Amino acid sequence: DAKTTQPNSMESNEEEPVHLPCNHSTISGTDYIHWYRQLPSQGPEYVIHGLTSNVNNRMASLAIAEDRKSSTLILHRATLRDAAVYYCILRDRFYNTDKLIFGTGTRLQVFP
Amino acid sequence: EPEVTQTPSHQVTQMGQEVILRCVPISNHLYFYWYRQILGQKVEFLVSFYNNEISEKSEIFDDQFSVERPDGSNFTLKIRSTKLEDSAMYFCASSGSGLSTDTQYFGPGTRLTVL
Repeated sequence: DAKTTQPNSMESNEEEPVHLPCNHSTISGTDYIHWYRQLPSQGPEYVIHGLTSNVNNRMASLAIAEDRKSSTLILHRATLRDAAVYYCILRDRFYNTDKLIFGTGTRLQVFP
Repeated sequence: EPEVTQTPSHQVTQMGQEVILRCVPISNHLYFYWYRQILGQKVEFLVSFYNNEISEKSEIFDDQFSVERPDGSNFTLKIRSTKLEDSAMYFCASSGSGLSTDTQYFGPGTRLTVL
């Protein structure tokens, strides 16, 4: 799997938007961009994924750069419950290796 | 919403003892996984399992580890002779298709403490 780079930590105030960046300059044309998060003392949970176009779901939005070398996870209004470690993971759509390869992620702190 | 469950939530054992960690994946899922996370470190893949066979395993998953689906609902991870360095959170996950576009659903984890 191609490597991703994320800031170690970010901070936000409650009810403000949060933009979590991820660089993946060596991404291949067949890599999907997945985001998972891990709340304190819990297992990872899926957030969103995309290939080329921006994606929205009930949890977040994913903005993918035109050259696909970077992406941004957007939490539109951060809540205290969004405090977690966020992982950006690339998965090749044609190489169906099952495993997720987690990096160190971005630890998001949300202040009241 | 369906969820992956794991038991026990915390297991304490003596070095050299065998432990079995249990997981109940989401009922219609066919692909099962174990990951571990040593305190303060990354989540690491251990093994994936499909159709009663291991489909992929990491270097961590040596001869001391084994997995089994003993019935239609449980998925277990056995560590034959635990070492101090096996102390970690162990997460079970499942997915419906195993495709790289498919979501993996994780359980809450079992904290294993080896004394």
